[in-house]
Amino acid sequence: GAVVSQHPSWVICKSGTSVKIECRSLDFQATTMFWYRQFPKQSLMLMATSNEGSKATYEQGVEKDKFLINHASLTLSTLTVTSAHPEDSSFYICSAVLQGLSVYNEQFFGPGTRLTVL
Amino acid sequence: QKEVEQDPGPLSVPEGAIVSLNCTYSNSAFQYFMWYRQYSRKGPELLMYTYSSGNKEDGRFTAQVDKSSKYISLFIRDSQPSDSATYLCAMSNQAGTALIFGKGTTLSVSS
Repeated sequence: GAVVSQHPSWVICKSGTSVKIECRSLDFQATTMFWYRQFPKQSLMLMATSNEGSKATYEQGVEKDKFLINHASLTLSTLTVTSAHPEDSSFYICSAVLQGLSVYNEQFFGPGTRLTVL
Repeated sequence: QKEVEQDPGPLSVPEGAIVSLNCTYSNSAFQYFMWYRQYSRKGPELLMYTYSSGNKEDGRFTAQVDKSSKYISLFIRDSQPSDSATYLCAMSNQAGTALIFGKGTTLSVSS
């Protein structure tokens, strides 16, 4: 149980286009999901917190108009990279919080989406 | 100073060795400490978590937290080639909140 999927796993797009990445909790409901970004040989950096039914909370330095987050249901959050540029090329990973499993409220991570912008 | 510091390695050990991975942190408010394993081009997989100070053991893995020194460790006994991966420490001050990750240590276990 507690599986999180992401789609697509890999995408290449042209500069200036928009790309949507989906994050789904397959067997549990998640009111909170997180979006992280990981550059090669770097740590995962939090981009935003996605809460079902409300606006996402973005970390300092992350452009909310460029990285649109929609948490439309308890099992789905989407990240849309608008007008993508080569510097947006990265590994995007989501996580979903499973509340009540333990005192820790464990996060389960998706397999990640590798975005390459040409 | 970054909130979480972790030596990126790489760390190479022979099969059967004891591996010690470490992280230091600066935020004394951190209460939850996690170790994740990440294979190339995959999402992180939780190995162990510890609340506050102390030790926790799970099979070949032992996690230690020393809050007075702001230092956490992961020990892997009888390391196997399948343990070859990047190990990330992560921390938070509240349950279910976003995690602050270390940079990750790349481990290679040779047979």
